Amino acid sequence: EADIYQTPRYLVIGTGKKITLECSQTMGHDKMYWYQQDPGMELHLIHYSYGVNSTEKGDLSSESTVSRIRTEHFPLTLESARPSHTSQYLCASSGEEGRSYNEQFFGPGTRLTVL
Amino acid sequence: GESVGLHLPTLSVQEGDNSIINCAYSNSASDYFIWYKQESGKGPQFIIDIRSNMDKRQGQRVTVLLNKTVKHLSLQIAATQPGDSAVYFCAGNQAGTALIFGKGTTLSVSS
Repeated sequence: EADIYQTPRYLVIGTGKKITLECSQTMGHDKMYWYQQDPGMELHLIHYSYGVNSTEKGDLSSESTVSRIRTEHFPLTLESARPSHTSQYLCASSGEEGRSYNEQFFGPGTRLTVL
Repeated sequence: GESVGLHLPTLSVQEGDNSIINCAYSNSASDYFIWYKQESGKGPQFIIDIRSNMDKRQGQRVTVLLNKTVKHLSLQIAATQPGDSAVYFCAGNQAGTALIFGKGTTLSVSS
């Protein structure tokens, strides 16, 4: 079982609200990622980070921001939630010693509903 | 840009049979190709990866085959078990960058 945590697990919120999805890992991994996934569909990369103070944009990054102030913490912020943001958000990390960076460890996800 | 996708959205097999899940890709610049398994309500789980200069790699009960000529990747699962029921995703990677996932194939294993 991977030591990567996401909170909240479920969130229902109104349009226009600012929200922050939390992700923490205790494995000391240097790389972390945020993905968006609709039910049964592929994962879309939102943001990723190679380490502290490093952040990069993925395909769906324009409406969200991330920060990486500490190795273990990689929060995702939506400044103004919209119904189109309704989806599942998955956080992942990689960089296990002796393992490939391709082996990403995923958290349980946050299921977001914007009304 | 990168595009990774699977041929069939669903695959149904009997317990004990071998399963073959296919994936086609468009970007030959990927350094690695990777397979992930996602069970219902959980995040994806790494299965196996293969470097782009390899044709075949074996793991525990799984084999990945890479055909660069036709840009095709497959995951073979031997003696499929009910616990293998999940959605399987292929992904491509370039060294130092994040993964690009394709659409998944839902594997259903009946007893």
